[in-house]
Amino acid sequence: DIQLTQSPSFLSASVGDRVTITCRASQGISSYLAWYQQKPGKAPKLLIYAASTLQSGVPSRFSGSGSGTEFTLTISSLQPEDFATYYCQQLNSYPITFGQGTRLEIK
Amino acid sequence: QVQLQESGPGLVKPSQTLSLTCTVSGGSISSGSYYWSWIRQPAGKGLEWIGRIYTSGSTNYNPSLKSRVTISVDTSKNQFSLKLSSVTAADTAVYYCARGSVAGPYYFDYWGQGTLVTVSS
Repeated sequence: DIQLTQSPSFLSASVGDRVTITCRASQGISSYLAWYQQKPGKAPKLLIYAASTLQSGVPSRFSGSGSGTEFTLTISSLQPEDFATYYCQQLNSYPITFGQGTRLEIK
Repeated sequence: QVQLQESGPGLVKPSQTLSLTCTVSGGSISSGSYYWSWIRQPAGKGLEWIGRIYTSGSTNYNPSLKSRVTISVDTSKNQFSLKLSSVTAADTAVYYCARGSVAGPYYFDYWGQGTLVTVSS
């Protein structure tokens, strides 16, 4: 199985901050990586796919980059509604796996 | 707008079989562009992919659960289902169904709201 390791696991930040979350894969996954946002009691929401393509309707302050084994999700200017848990997901090979999550909280 | 909705018992006894159904609305489950997956999330923990099914009936399962999982599809009802046998407390989780793209780029774009299944006597 391909392991995905997110860092940090917990992040405290303020509204307006720029934040970056990293996802490292245990082996190369090309660009077959997606990012999801999950709020308490809700299903994950697709933010980015193919490592850097913004899903329709997702604000442009979200961006993704990377390929191979290292990927990043960046939020350029945090808004109150962005405080949530973020997961990366690899779809390069089966079984599909997710990172352990990064919890983003208000400082 | 595609919507997915999970349904099934919220309480299952240990050693029994967990059975859930996902009903798809706003689109046909028979579209060849998508497959249909189950994912679960224990309370306070991360996401675990359980398996997927194409409308052809072809399946892939997570090896960690493969011996206990069956996913099936009923195109006439626009539904797909999950059966997980010999459950234990470790199978207590919120179970989600989701739609995945068959051809690249790959992603899960629509998810159900999730249903909590508790394994307890």
